Amino acid sequence: SQQGEEDPQALSIQEGENATMNCSYKTSINNLQWYRQNSGRGLVHLILIRSNEREKHSGRLRVTLDTSKKSSSLLITASRAADTASYFCATDAWNGNKLVFGAGTILRVKS
Amino acid sequence: GAVVSQHPSRVICKSGTSVKIECRSLDFQATTMFWYRQFPKQSLMLMATSNEGSKATYEQGVEKDKFLINHASLTLSTLTVTSAHPEDSSFYICSARDYGGETQYFGPGTRLLVL
Repeated sequence: SQQGEEDPQALSIQEGENATMNCSYKTSINNLQWYRQNSGRGLVHLILIRSNEREKHSGRLRVTLDTSKKSSSLLITASRAADTASYFCATDAWNGNKLVFGAGTILRVKS
Repeated sequence: GAVVSQHPSRVICKSGTSVKIECRSLDFQATTMFWYRQFPKQSLMLMATSNEGSKATYEQGVEKDKFLINHASLTLSTLTVTSAHPEDSSFYICSARDYGGETQYFGPGTRLLVL
């Protein structure tokens, strides 16, 4: 079962602009992870943020986590056409050993 | 990073036949493997979790007799779709996690088309 919602469902921006995607979840978590999926391909792990962390950076990626609101955001700065993909958040619950995925955001970066 | 492979990458079969998909962790021992299904333009839905040497744990609504999972070794899990029907056509993705690991590593997926 899916944990929560992601918004927007689809996002179209110009190259160079920033892209922000949001994810909400329902239960307590151990960590939250963001993945990227190119069309018809497998998933690539982008970043993991633990429940006791509020912000994390990796290159052009910035992830925030607000456990009080049960939400997370992924910011991609200075986007490139190659960033075009679907982005999913996934939560790892305390009492589980599995990832539960959000609905995903389809990002299109126009050159 | 860790590598997970899947085979085959694509399979077309006739309705009623069984299809086996392999998932291998290439450079680490995967104590736990997961099988997901993804329909077009949708998210990944977890089907089952398997631990090496024990029976798989299936998610609600997933038929264990239809989707047979075998995790016989620390580097190999197989998913067999038995008596496949057109509605089973989907993208099947496996992932693997090593002992104590937080990160799941995903395979490239297998696209199944049942005619």
